[in-house]
Amino acid sequence: GAVVSQHPSWVICKSGTSVKIECRSLDFQATTMFWYRQFPKQSLMLMATSNEGSKATYEQGVEKDKFLINHASLTLSTLTVTSAHPEDSSFYICSAIPISIDYEQYFGPGTRLTVT
Amino acid sequence: DQQVKQNSPSLSVQEGRISILNCDYTNSMFDYFLWYKKYPAEGPTFLISISSIKDKNEDGRFTVFLNKSAKHLSLHIVPSQPGDSAVYFCAASAYGSARQLTFGSGTQLTVLP
Repeated sequence: GAVVSQHPSWVICKSGTSVKIECRSLDFQATTMFWYRQFPKQSLMLMATSNEGSKATYEQGVEKDKFLINHASLTLSTLTVTSAHPEDSSFYICSAIPISIDYEQYFGPGTRLTVT
Repeated sequence: DQQVKQNSPSLSVQEGRISILNCDYTNSMFDYFLWYKKYPAEGPTFLISISSIKDKNEDGRFTVFLNKSAKHLSLHIVPSQPGDSAVYFCAASAYGSARQLTFGSGTQLTVLP
């Protein structure tokens, strides 16, 4: 149980376009989901906390207008990278915490974004 | 300023021996700690966690030790198996739960057959 999926698993886009990444909790409901970014051989950096039915909370230094987060249901959060640039190329990972169980975050498999 | 540090980027051990992965933290507000295992191009997989009210937690081959005074935790894997080869991240939270995790930079463990 406690499976989190992400779609797409990898995407290549041209500079200036927008890309949407979906994060779904498949067998549980989550009021809170998180979005991380990982650069090669580096740690996972928390970008934002996505709360169902309310605005996301962004970490310091993360542009909220560039990384749009929507958490429209208890099983789906989306991250849209707007006007993507090559420096946005990275590995994006989402995670979710089940309702009433907060001792573990369940992670998705990640999405590799390459902006050309 | 890294609040969670894993000072060893890599570690190699022989199959069957003990693997010890270390993690230090600076934020005294952290009260919940987790270890995750990660393969390339995949999301992290939860291994084990520990609350600050404990100093040891064991789950099968995995044991986590917490030394609050030293702000140090370690993950012991006994016996190590080739399938354990992966990057191990420690993470910490100041919320007594798995919310708002701060991750270390990871340690690449290689278990040699």
